Amino acid sequence: DSGVTQTPKHLITATGQRVTLRCSPRSGDLSVYWYQQSLDQGLQFLIQYYNGEERAKGNILERFSAQQFPDLHSELNLSSLELGDSALYFCASSVGRPNTGELFFGEGSRLTVL
Amino acid sequence: AQSVTQLGSHVSVSEGALVLLRCNYSSSVPPYLFWYVQYPNQGLQLLLKYTSAATLVKGINGFEAEFKKSETSFHLTKPSAHMSDAAEYFCAVIPNFGNEKLTFGTGTRLTIIP
Repeated sequence: DSGVTQTPKHLITATGQRVTLRCSPRSGDLSVYWYQQSLDQGLQFLIQYYNGEERAKGNILERFSAQQFPDLHSELNLSSLELGDSALYFCASSVGRPNTGELFFGEGSRLTVL
Repeated sequence: AQSVTQLGSHVSVSEGALVLLRCNYSSSVPPYLFWYVQYPNQGLQLLLKYTSAATLVKGINGFEAEFKKSETSFHLTKPSAHMSDAAEYFCAVIPNFGNEKLTFGTGTRLTIIP
């Protein structure tokens, strides 16, 4: 158990819809990272937050957004969903900055868009 | 952009045989390098990391990796494979200290033959 909790574990929705994925980091961790894992693109870094502030952005689509709340949990919002958004979305956390590369991953939220 | 290349998307070895998973990095300066493992239906877990302290790095579960600057490689090895080693293995890189992005390779699926 990494200590990172992601909900929901599975989500099935239709094209055009909007979903929210939630992540609770390990106790004491201030940084939260979001990754997308798909068969065709592998593991792609989406975005990172540190103590409520956005710190780094990767290959995140404009239809996607995220935030980190004062209690340090984070949410990833995916809107106007397309079939290609079907993937496993991971949240990871680490103690702080700079990024030491030692991330603790949750078990992921599997999104299926029909 | 800094990246890592994993040679071989699938590797099969017999139980008890040597495990060798290959990773090469592209960088003009020594980066920070990592190996992560993903067991079925789980998140990623850190196996080991290289941060320039020592070229031979030992990790969990009997794995180790050697940083070779002349070959720009960071291959993962284990002397004797166990059935429980069956998983997907990812090489990852942070190009320099302070960079927030941990970039993953495409992964190598390791199968253990009984």
